[in-house]
Amino acid sequence: AQRVTQPEKLLSVFKGAPVELKCNYSYSGSPELFWYVQYSRQRLQLLLRHISRESIKGFTADLNKGETSFHLKKPFAQEEDSAMYYCALSGNSGNTPLVFGKGTRLSVIA
Amino acid sequence: EAGVTQFPSHSVIEKGQTVTLRCDPISGHDNLYWYRRVMGKEIKFLLHFVKESKQDESGMPNNRFLAERTGGTYSTLKVQPAELEDSGVYFCASSHTGYTDTQYFGPGTRLTVL
Repeated sequence: AQRVTQPEKLLSVFKGAPVELKCNYSYSGSPELFWYVQYSRQRLQLLLRHISRESIKGFTADLNKGETSFHLKKPFAQEEDSAMYYCALSGNSGNTPLVFGKGTRLSVIA
Repeated sequence: EAGVTQFPSHSVIEKGQTVTLRCDPISGHDNLYWYRRVMGKEIKFLLHFVKESKQDESGMPNNRFLAERTGGTYSTLKVQPAELEDSGVYFCASSHTGYTDTQYFGPGTRLTVL
């Protein structure tokens, strides 16, 4: 079965501290992994995807197939990073539905 | 370029009534998806259109839900009759056809069934 697990409902960190949002998945095959973010009063938007290997707003995520994980990291949290973060996966055949985790609310304290 | 739009932003109805949600995708996007987030649970896929055809409707919860996409443009999702457990936020997303094309989400419609 396809599943995405985000173990933390809420994560609070101080400004300038490192952040790691955990994501584990189960999927039979090679999925594509994503992180979506929803800032207050804004719509859900793509933050990054594993095939791009980009760093967006200082965030990175590495796909670890052995551990079936795709944790999101940032070395120094900023107040504007406070938001709801969703890990998601899809099949790798293109234009397939997303399977989401329950989300982690990140709160960065000044 | 306008993003994905959804109407209404909020809807409050009584159990047994009918509600129709509308989604206008980004112009030129052949793929249109409906998702739903019920309180306390994850965002779940409902169905996927490619142009006017239903590609995958495996996530539709039951036959009280009917989705259409007229002429491959906007889509409607009708719930008839609505039940209490239908309350949640309904999201629409659209994307180009292509291996790496991103799904762009609308702001969602918050449905409350009393």
